[in-house]
Amino acid sequence: EAGVAQSPRYKIIEKRQSVAFWCNPISGHATLYWYQQILGQGPKLLIQFQNNGVVDDSQLPKDRFSAERLKGVDSTLKIQPAKLEDSAVYLCASSLVQLSTDTQYFGPGTRLTVL
Amino acid sequence: GNSVTQMEGPVTLSEEAFLTINCTYTATGYPSLFWYVQYPGEGLQLLLKATKADDKGSNKGFEATYRKETTSFHLEKGSVQVSDSAVYFCALSDPYSGGGADGLTFGKGTHLIIQP
Repeated sequence: EAGVAQSPRYKIIEKRQSVAFWCNPISGHATLYWYQQILGQGPKLLIQFQNNGVVDDSQLPKDRFSAERLKGVDSTLKIQPAKLEDSAVYLCASSLVQLSTDTQYFGPGTRLTVL
Repeated sequence: GNSVTQMEGPVTLSEEAFLTINCTYTATGYPSLFWYVQYPGEGLQLLLKATKADDKGSNKGFEATYRKETTSFHLEKGSVQVSDSAVYFCALSDPYSGGGADGLTFGKGTHLIIQP
């Protein structure tokens, strides 16, 4: 079974530029998550989708971050404009169902460096 | 809000030593508890989980018991190997977050180094 795919793996941009990340979850997984992991910290949830609807985006900085999950499969996360403090690894995860007991499977992440 | 506190690293041990990584949590109700591991150059992967009080999760020789009375989920292994060197994250998922949200709340991670 293929895992969660993410691209690109690395991205370097200058502040005030825009950037987009792509995620393809495990086939059949209804729930998709985006996390931000700053160096030396644990991942922090940014947004959770159930199919193509948003369940939780309370920690998403909506003035600069946006995310969508069209057709309930792939998802994109965009930052516009980027700030220095956005430098982090952006992780995508998916789970089969929306249950607190369910396992989340993580992709390899996209490492973003903002100069 | 929910939070997870785990011991700061790095933790350095000799091969075959006993390992304990402490983890305590704060949550609204009765969360599910997880340990995730990140090996060098790899992504996060689930190590073990427990979904209700007194449950014991186990995998690859690691164990953790869900202790509701002490709000803890300490990770243990009787004899560590060099290949266990990694960063370990304790996390919770709270079904009482509201609206069906079940995203994970992570601790800061503990870097474990096992020396031969």
